[in-house]
Formats: sequence, C-alpha cells, structure tokens
Amino acid sequence: AQSVTQLDSHVSVSEGTPVLLRCNYSSSYSPSLFWYVQHPNKGLQLLLKYTSAATLVKGINGFEAEFKKSETSFHLTKPSAHMSDAAEYFCVVSPNTGFQKLVFGTGTRLLVSP
Amino acid sequence: GAGVSQSPSNKVTEKGKDVELRCDPISGHTALYWYRQSLGQGLEFLIYFQGNSAPDKSGLPSDRFSAERTGGSVSTLTIQRTQQEDSAVYLCASRKQGEDTQYFGPGTRLTVL
Repeated sequence: AQSVTQLDSHVSVSEGTPVLLRCNYSSSYSPSLFWYVQHPNKGLQLLLKYTSAATLVKGINGFEAEFKKSETSFHLTKPSAHMSDAAEYFCVVSPNTGFQKLVFGTGTRLLVSP
Repeated sequence: GAGVSQSPSNKVTEKGKDVELRCDPISGHTALYWYRQSLGQGLEFLIYFQGNSAPDKSGLPSDRFSAERTGGSVSTLTIQRTQQEDSAVYLCASRKQGEDTQYFGPGTRLTVL
C-alpha cells in the first residue's frame, strides 16, 4: 500500500522568501513521486517527478525536490517565492510499474504576500 | 490538440438525474484515468483504462458510476441517479505507454442540487 502525508495544510510566505512544502511518503516498493500544482479553477500541472534516477529533482518555475529514502521524504522547495506561486500543491506517489494509480496527498495551499 | 480536454466544464443537475462527463485524451496516449476531487475526500482515483484491456474499476464508489472508452480514445463517465454527495470536480488524465507522467484535463465541476 502507498500513501503520502503533506504535513502542512497551509503555508504562508512573503514574496522573495524561500518556500518549503513538506511531504512524507509510505510505499512497500520503490515508488515514483510527483509534485503537482493546481491554480484556482485550473487543472493539475506537473511540477516535477522522481523516478529512481537523481535524488535531487529540478522542475518548472524554479522548484526542486529532494528524495530522501532514509527519511521517506520528498519536500518541495523554491529559493524565492513569486506572487504567481500562490496555488495548491499536491504530493503524489505511484508505483513505477503496473497501472500506476496516483495516490494524492491532501494538498498544501501556498499563500504569498507582497 | 495539445492537452487533455473535458466537457462540459460545468454541470448543474438535479438529484436523481443521470449525467455524462466526457474526456478526450492526448492523441496517442493509451492509458486513461478518472479521478474525483471533492472537499471531504480530496483527490481520489476512480477508474483506469489501458488500451483494450479490461478497465480497473476498483475506485468507483458505487454501482451508480460507470465509464467506457470507445475506440481506445474518448471516454465517458456516467453517473446514474445523482446524489448530492456526487458534487465534485471530475478530472481525467492520460498517459503515454512506457512513460510515467499523467497529464490532466481541466476537469468538470458537477453540482447536484
């Protein structure tokens, strides 16, 4: 069985400051891990993914995440927040074989203030 | 046609009516998924189609829900005798065989009055 836990339902930052969105996963085998972003009234957009290659993954819009197997974590970071980063972020786990059903975390809403 | 498209974007219906939601996947993508996003349950898997194989229906919440995929392309999710708890955003995603990324459509917001 697989699951993800997003540790914060809301994160508030000021524009220009670093962003950290935390995610822990549980998987009985080597998983694929993703971060998706959802802007208001928009669909889900893939930010980045980990699929057993490099543990530090770079995504779009300056986001990156580090896979840490020992900590079962896949935290999302960005050095400097922009107003346009305000959205809901989902950490997602999937087996990297078979039909690859995605299991979503409960989401973290990122608020960016001027 | 660059991305996954879904129609309608919004659907308001009365309790007890049937609704059909449509998904057009990215051309050439053999895998198609339906998910539901609701306030109480978050994002949850509903059903999965892969090519001509039998679909995996393990996420469908009740027998009022069904889906089909014609010709390995367009999919329709049908909800019979809608209930208020069916109100949610229904998301469709497609994936190319051999790859691991699912691409999502904009969703259909269903409101059952």
